[in-house]
Amino acid sequence: AQKITQTQPGMFVQEKEAVTLDCTYDTSDPSYGLFWYKQPSSGEMIFLIYQGSYDQQNATEGRYSLNFQKARKSANLVISASQLGDSAMYFCAMREPGGASYDKVIFGPGTSLSVIP
Amino acid sequence: GAGVSQSPRYKVAKRGQDVALRCDPISGHVSLFWYQQALGQGPEFLTYFQNEAQLDKSGLPSDRFFAERPEGSVSTLKIQRTQQEDSAVYLCASSPPTQGRLREQYFGPGTRLTVT
Repeated sequence: AQKITQTQPGMFVQEKEAVTLDCTYDTSDPSYGLFWYKQPSSGEMIFLIYQGSYDQQNATEGRYSLNFQKARKSANLVISASQLGDSAMYFCAMREPGGASYDKVIFGPGTSLSVIP
Repeated sequence: GAGVSQSPRYKVAKRGQDVALRCDPISGHVSLFWYQQALGQGPEFLTYFQNEAQLDKSGLPSDRFFAERPEGSVSTLKIQRTQQEDSAVYLCASSPPTQGRLREQYFGPGTRLTVT
């Protein structure tokens, strides 16, 4: 069965510094997608970045980049130049192959990030 | 444009009461998902709709949980005879009909259900 592991329940980072949030996954399917979502205290899940299993390059979106190491089954999120507004829960998620009609997404337990001024 | 909306945002129910949670997806989004998020955990899949058809309800924890989307737009998640373990945030997400590689899900703000 597919599974997502996030081993860091809580992280602290100084404002303007970079931080890496860890994510490992387990799947036997060669085709999958990996997501990172941010959930601030307001509760809404905000999409940050996506990496496909066949993508040759690591995904980047502004200050977010994904360190994708396929052989190790890891998909760590790197946030550069942290801002106070980055304080939130961060969830790694994997799209479980469900055929062409829909995608069941499995979420990890999350990492709480606190940015210190 | 408007995002996914959910109502109510907060609901307190006494054990044994029935509750109904509403989700208004983004207009034109074919796919609709419900998730349950317990405190301090990641969201867990409950059920999936494609238009009005409920194609997957494998995540519904018991037969007290029922979801519908009769006209392929608004969806309602109903919980009968609520129990304390039903206390959680219920998230709704929708996605467009594209078959692109990303197929991102857009989430609503959630409904926080507290059963006392």
